[in-house]
Amino acid sequence: DAGVIQSPRHEVTEMGQEVTLRCKPISGHDYLFWYRQTMMRGLELLIYFNNNVPIDDSGMPEDRFSAKMPNASFSTLKIQPSEPRDSAVYFCASSLGPANNSPLHFGNGTRLTVT
Amino acid sequence: GENVEQHPSTLSVQEGDSAVIKCTYSDSASNYFPWYKQELGKGPQLIIDIRSNVGEKKDQRIAVTLNKTAKHFSLHITETQPEDSAVYFCAASSPISGGYNKLIFGAGTRLAVHP
Repeated sequence: DAGVIQSPRHEVTEMGQEVTLRCKPISGHDYLFWYRQTMMRGLELLIYFNNNVPIDDSGMPEDRFSAKMPNASFSTLKIQPSEPRDSAVYFCASSLGPANNSPLHFGNGTRLTVT
Repeated sequence: GENVEQHPSTLSVQEGDSAVIKCTYSDSASNYFPWYKQELGKGPQLIIDIRSNVGEKKDQRIAVTLNKTAKHFSLHITETQPEDSAVYFCAASSPISGGYNKLIFGAGTRLAVHP
């Protein structure tokens, strides 16, 4: 298996622009997670899905962030409009079972820079 | 909600020495405690995990101990090698509504193993 695939690897955009991050989970994994990593706040859970349904989005910073999972093999995280404080590495992860029972498999992340 | 604290933030050891990283958690309902290793430019990768009904688990040079009463768990790496140099994260599962769980990560420990 190719693992969790994220694209793009790097994204540089100007403040106010829309940014879309993409994720393909491991086939057969029923759970998908979006995390954000910064030096100041570490790894923060933004949202997670079970069988394509959002379960917990309490970590989504504000209305500028939205996430979708239209099918079992694809998810997007969108920021509109983007701001410099959104600069971070965004990770997608998937797992076979719930978070208290199955390891998370992370992609290699998207490094977002908003200028 | 769950809070996971991790110490130290940086750790420098000589090759062959042991390294110990400690974490504490706040939610007594947490029952799953994984450890992840993150190398530069990559996503975190699971190296070992332990469940609340077990006090210790070992896998070659890596071991994890759990003290549920005190709410702390530790990672022990023996006979360290330069390739062990990375950032290590502890995590704890935290129950949320609907019978679901989410993983809360510690702030990370940057381990440097010097030849």
